[in-house]
Amino acid sequence: KAGVTQTPRYLIKTRGQQVTLSCSPISGHRSVSWYQQTPGQGLQFLFEYFSETQRNKGNFPGRFSGRQFSNSRSEMNVSTLELGDSALYLCASSSWQGGNSPLHFGNGTRLTVT
Amino acid sequence: GESVGLHLPTLSVQEGDNSIINCAYSNSASDYFIWYKQESGKGPQFIIDIRSNMDKRQGQRVTVLLNKTVKHLSLQIAATQPGDSAVYFCAVTNTGNQFYFGTGTSLTVIP
Repeated sequence: KAGVTQTPRYLIKTRGQQVTLSCSPISGHRSVSWYQQTPGQGLQFLFEYFSETQRNKGNFPGRFSGRQFSNSRSEMNVSTLELGDSALYLCASSSWQGGNSPLHFGNGTRLTVT
Repeated sequence: GESVGLHLPTLSVQEGDNSIINCAYSNSASDYFIWYKQESGKGPQFIIDIRSNMDKRQGQRVTVLLNKTVKHLSLQIAATQPGDSAVYFCAVTNTGNQFYFGTGTSLTVIP
């Protein structure tokens, strides 16, 4: 089974621009989560989608948004980029359907904002 | 919410020795716990998980211990190998779909 795929692997953007990151979950997984990883803050939860609905959202400003498509693929968008948005953005999928299931992570998109 | 901390940011062990990595959490309602390994340039990789109705679970060369009384979790790696060098995170949840992560312990295995 193919793992979680994230594209692109690397992005360099300028302050004020916007960016869209893409994630394809493991086949059959309907839950997709996004996390931001930085050296100072570690892994911070952004949001989680299940069957195209956002079920949970972390404490990030409204500039961070996401969506999920009917095939469970997900995108996240960051508008009006700031220098502090530079981070590794990780997508994870899960077979969660009410019980506890582990997150399976992709290798991330490294975003650098200059 | 939840606060998750790791006791040591770095750990060095000799090849062949056992490694113990610790994690503390704050929310007594947390009921599912996972250990992840992250190598440079890669995303976190699932190692082992444990539910709150258990206090010990074993995998291949790894054991997770859960002490709900003191809200403490540990990962034991037996006969540590150079390939075990990585950053290890614990992840905790009480909702099943939002996890809180510790800050990570960087394990270095000395040949």
